[in-house]
This record gives sequence, C-alpha cells and structure tokens, in this order.
Amino acid sequence: QVQLQESGPGLVKPSETLSLSCTVSGDSISNRVYYWGWIRQPPGKGLEWIGSIYPSGTTYYNPSLKSRVTVSLDTSTNTLSLRLSSVAATDTAVYYCARAREGPSPTGYSYYGMDVWGQGTMVTVSS
Amino acid sequence: ETVLTQYPATLSLSPGERASLSCKASQSITTYLAWYQQKPGQAPRLLIYDASNRATDIPARFSGSGSGTDFTLTISSLEPEDFAVYYCQQRGTWPLTFGGGTRVEI
Repeated sequence: QVQLQESGPGLVKPSETLSLSCTVSGDSISNRVYYWGWIRQPPGKGLEWIGSIYPSGTTYYNPSLKSRVTVSLDTSTNTLSLRLSSVAATDTAVYYCARAREGPSPTGYSYYGMDVWGQGTMVTVSS
Repeated sequence: ETVLTQYPATLSLSPGERASLSCKASQSITTYLAWYQQKPGQAPRLLIYDASNRATDIPARFSGSGSGTDFTLTISSLEPEDFAVYYCQQRGTWPLTFGGGTRVEI
C-alpha cells in the first residue's frame, strides 16, 4: 500500500523559504508509471496546484508561482521536495503531496488522476 | 490556462436524493478530467478519472460523464457520508487546474 507523508516546519517567517518533504513508502518515485506533485489549500478555500515532476526530472509549475517554486525528487531517500521562496501571508495553507498517473490505455490515452495523497501539513507564514 | 468553473457552488439536498454537479472547462480537455471528494480535515479522495471511470473502491452510486468542455458528476442516491466538497481537475493542458468546488450539504 502506497503512503505519502509530508513533513516540514509549521511556521515560516515572511520573505523566507518554505521547504517541505514528502516521503513515499510502498512505491519507488522512480517508477515511470507515475509522476508526483504538490497541491495547497489556504484555510477555507479551494485546491491550488503548485507543481509536478516526472521521474525523468521534467517539471511543470503553476505560472503564478513559477518564479518562486522548485520541485525535486531524491531517489536515494524516495522523497519528493518543495521549495517556495520569498513567502508571504498568502502562502499560508495546507500543503499536500500526491501521486498521479497518465498514459496509454485501451481508449488511446488516459488521465488516471491523483490517486494517492498525503495527509497534508499546515504551514503558516507569520513573523 | 484552462479555467474550470463548477456550479452550483452549493447544493442543498437530503439523503436519498440525486445530486448532479457540473464542471465546465474554458477549452476542450477531451476526457482528461478527474473528480475528487474532500471532507473537513481530510485530504481529497479520487472518485472519477478520465471523466467517467470510477477509481478503486468507489461506490457505484458515483458516476461521471462528459467530454470536451462539459462534465457532470452524479451521485444517484445520497448517503450521509456523501455530504462534502467536490472538486473537478483537468490534465488536458498544463498548468493543471482545479475547479472552485461544489459543496453538497443537507
């Protein structure tokens, strides 16, 4: 059974860098069937995609965050990482990591969705 | 960027009733759409992938339909545990985007 667990500081000061890790168990992040991503949810609001990374290292980012975000994989620790620089109060949110899949299917090509999520970690930006 | 608009924002129904939730994309995303359910304090759970396929262990009362720009999530007969917020999400184009959500309440 695949499990994802986010970890990192719950409080970050404005203008500093937010760093989170997502430890994957039960599967290898190098498995080319899947890709990995980060999603956040400000208190009382909806879901916002931050970025995704394929095992090949190819990354995609939310344009609104692209200049501040880095998503990476560490195959030695089977961990997904997120770095968000120059944080502000608007970056306060629950941060989730998730696994996603897409690929060839009997109908041609399919998007299988984000099928495994971490429990989420709350990050507050405040001095 | 593909914008997903979900409506209604809130759906007030009773157990046993049928729920129909809509998600409209600003451009065609073929069938590259997923639906998620989120309960308070929990991570989202995948319900439907590729617009109409139920994810593992999802009850048959949940169904998805649509292609192109118009999609629907239907819950045939609401159970008490179905009262939650539902999000659609597209992978037709980068960046990935989520809809704003529909709250299904009693």
